[in-house]
Amino acid sequence: EPEVTQTPSHQVTQMGQEVILRCVPISNHLYFYWYRQILGQKVEFLVSFYNNEISEKSEIFDDQFSVERPDGSNFTLKIRSTKLEDSAMYFCASRGGVAELRYEQYFGPGTRLTVT
Amino acid sequence: GEDVEQSLFLSVREGDSSVINCTYTDSSSTYLYWYKQEPGAGLQLLTYIFSNMDMKQDQRLTVLLNKKDKHLSLRIADTQTGDSAIYFCAENIPGTYKYIFGTGTRLKVLA
Repeated sequence: EPEVTQTPSHQVTQMGQEVILRCVPISNHLYFYWYRQILGQKVEFLVSFYNNEISEKSEIFDDQFSVERPDGSNFTLKIRSTKLEDSAMYFCASRGGVAELRYEQYFGPGTRLTVT
Repeated sequence: GEDVEQSLFLSVREGDSSVINCTYTDSSSTYLYWYKQEPGAGLQLLTYIFSNMDMKQDQRLTVLLNKKDKHLSLRIADTQTGDSAIYFCAENIPGTYKYIFGTGTRLKVLA
């Protein structure tokens, strides 16, 4: 069964450093998402991406964040200058085209980001 | 504002039924989802319901929706140890690509 993959599974970085979290969505999917979950808190929507542009973003997704689909396969989340409060589990998700009425999102296993 | 609330923990004995509850805020037509997360894994969609439905059954899973109270529940019949996981309720905000998740309910099944 096709699945969403994410790398790395765990990333440790120092405050102020840039990180790139990588995701490979399911190959024929059209919509892509990033979520984060701070330990013990809710899963929070960050951004959605469709047709090579951001379709929606939350207030968390400020200028420090960016997303890219550089090669039609990978979908990346970049944090330019990490802060301690960016420590969280980051989930990537993808969804098929508009014909899929259920709007089912398929999630990756997550990348745990630890900022020290 | 948009919010989805869940209780944090539930413990049941193997073979019993589990009922996981969720309240949501948006009263417009929308899809509501239940996801399961096992340790080290991503979120797996278990079932969903559209807000014009009251109930949906899928094998051991039954979803009940009370639109008046904006209350959603997931009942797992004959709960097994393999059902131990975190269960997330989620809501698709109508007219957007945005999904709002609850904090998750950690279900522990005792043998």
